[in-house]
Amino acid sequence: GAVVSQHPSRVICKSGTSVKIECRSLDFQATTMFWYRQFPKQSLMLMATSNEGSKATYEQGVEKDKFLINHASLTLSTLTVTSAHPEDSSFYICSAERLEAEETQYFGPGTRLLVL
Amino acid sequence: AQSVAQPEDQVNVAEGNPLTVKCTYSVSGNPYLFWYVQYPNRGLQFLLKYITGDNLVKGSYGFEAEFNKSQTSFHLKKPSALVSDSALYFCAVRDRNDYKLSFGAGTTVTVRA
Repeated sequence: GAVVSQHPSRVICKSGTSVKIECRSLDFQATTMFWYRQFPKQSLMLMATSNEGSKATYEQGVEKDKFLINHASLTLSTLTVTSAHPEDSSFYICSAERLEAEETQYFGPGTRLLVL
Repeated sequence: AQSVAQPEDQVNVAEGNPLTVKCTYSVSGNPYLFWYVQYPNRGLQFLLKYITGDNLVKGSYGFEAEFNKSQTSFHLKKPSALVSDSALYFCAVRDRNDYKLSFGAGTTVTVRA
């Protein structure tokens, strides 16, 4: 149990376009979902925290108008990178906490974004 | 504030030998502690956690970790490493009163045949 999926796994887009990444908890309901960014050979940087039905909480330095987060249900959160630029190219990873075990985050497989 | 230190960027061991990956932490209150493993171009895979109770916790794939409050450490161990254990390992800590997870910089483990 505690499987988290992400779609797409890899996306290449042109500069100026928007890209949506989905994060789903497949076999559990998630009270809270998190979005991270990871640069090559580096640790994870928390971008934002989302709770179902409420606005996301963004970390300092993360542009909320650029990285739109929607948490429509207890099993789905989406991250939309708006007007993407090459510097947005990165590995984006989501995680989810189970209702029954809120201390543990379970991670998705990640989405590799390349903006040309 | 909370933080995690993984003092070794890389750990190299021979297959069949014991594997240890070090982690120390700092939190203002009582910690939740975690170990995750990441394979290339993949997300993080949960290995084990310390919440409360026994200081020695056992996790997936034969890994275990010992919570040492006095030394604020949570080292990951495996008695006999496999080549397939080669990966990037992250230690993470969370204060019980906070929702944020803080990660160490990661330790790359290489197990040679």
